[in-house]
Amino acid sequence: GENVEQHPSTLSVQEGDSAVIKCTYSDSASNYFPWYKQELGKRPQLIIDIRSNVGEKKDQRIAVTLNKTAKHFSLHITETQPEDSAVYFCAANTATSGTYKYIFGTGTRLKVLA
Amino acid sequence: GAVVSQHPSWVICKSGTSVKIECRSLDFQATTMFWYRQFPKQSLMLMATSNEGSKATYEQGVEKDKFLINHASLTLSTLTVTSAHPEDSSFYICSASARETQYFGPGTRLTVL
Repeated sequence: GENVEQHPSTLSVQEGDSAVIKCTYSDSASNYFPWYKQELGKRPQLIIDIRSNVGEKKDQRIAVTLNKTAKHFSLHITETQPEDSAVYFCAANTATSGTYKYIFGTGTRLKVLA
Repeated sequence: GAVVSQHPSWVICKSGTSVKIECRSLDFQATTMFWYRQFPKQSLMLMATSNEGSKATYEQGVEKDKFLINHASLTLSTLTVTSAHPEDSSFYICSASARETQYFGPGTRLTVL
């Protein structure tokens, strides 16, 4: 079946440094790639997304890049802050019988050290 | 906008009982709703996809007779865990989508004694 690989599983950075999380997807028909942030015991929150007709998207300190040829997409967080500490999930959409669903990556636990 | 509620937020029940969880999209009509299960420190595992007025599509390995899904309207879907057992204890999260983006409910923590 289709899958999404995510690396690294854990990431510790010093406050102010950048963090990069990478994902690889298998379904060449995937055309939408959201990123979610999940704090402990809470719901996943959409933080940024990218569609396949765009190579890069930025929203303040967060950016996402997409390489369709290589089936890679990455999340970049600059000037990290302690409140960025959470688990981050990437996802890729995939179609089954006309309905799109998400395949999630395994998650990256980001710790920003003050 | 795009608010999804889920009720209850937590439930404790005895083994063998059934538990119903509700998922509502509060400010938009959701053509599709999804039910996920999440174990501690793990990713979200899709259980089933439901479209309003039609039968849910279950992922491989998910028992449809155990996890009953009803999507009665464009704003409400319910998941009933029938004859719950301790191994069903988990965090259940729904999501609702109008187009391609899914918005998640706050989750329901189920503990089966």
